[in-house]
Amino acid sequence: GQQVMQIPQYQHVQEGEDFTTYCNSSTTLSNIQWYKQRPGGHPVFLIQLVKSGEVKKQKRLTFQFGEAKKNSSLHITATQPTDGGTYFCAGNSGGSNYKLTFGKGTLLTVNP
Amino acid sequence: DAGITQSPRYKITETGRQVTLMCHQTWSHSYMFWYRQDLGHGLRLIYYSAAADITDKGEVPDGYVVSRSKTENFPLTLESATRSQTSVYFCASNRGTGTTGELFFGEGSRLTVL
Repeated sequence: GQQVMQIPQYQHVQEGEDFTTYCNSSTTLSNIQWYKQRPGGHPVFLIQLVKSGEVKKQKRLTFQFGEAKKNSSLHITATQPTDGGTYFCAGNSGGSNYKLTFGKGTLLTVNP
Repeated sequence: DAGITQSPRYKITETGRQVTLMCHQTWSHSYMFWYRQDLGHGLRLIYYSAAADITDKGEVPDGYVVSRSKTENFPLTLESATRSQTSVYFCASNRGTGTTGELFFGEGSRLTVL
């Protein structure tokens, strides 16, 4: 079945440093989504990418979807303590069932 | 706007007992999902439903049963709980129109099986 791999598993940064997490799928994706989960909380949707090579920005967050639609990245510029949490990518390989396969997530800790 | 709610939020049970986790959404979303979250495994899909009376297996369905008699409810039952089913369970919903769109997650149900 479809597999979505995410690296790194953990990342500790000092406030102000940049952060990037990478997501790779074993199959071509129709779209990819990113979620953030704070400790003890539930995943919250950040963004969806659909087009090959698409780049979207949300303030200090930049999301990219690879040309082959098999990989994606999330980059955070000048991290802040509130950026801490686990970031998940989730891919959909198409079809009408709206099923998402989640990566295992990257836990980001931002030290003040 | 209540959104999507799960109950109970916390549950401790014993091996072999039946447990039902409830999920209710007020948006009339077509699709509903049950995920379990475990350290080192991320979120894994247990079952999903495209509409009332339509359900299908996800990645890890063994030991679980679902039903969806009404659009707004999607209960998950562990017929005979095992320790390996200790986990945090998340229910989610999706409008089910157009492109995939976002999943809206409930607060989660933390289940401990002794």
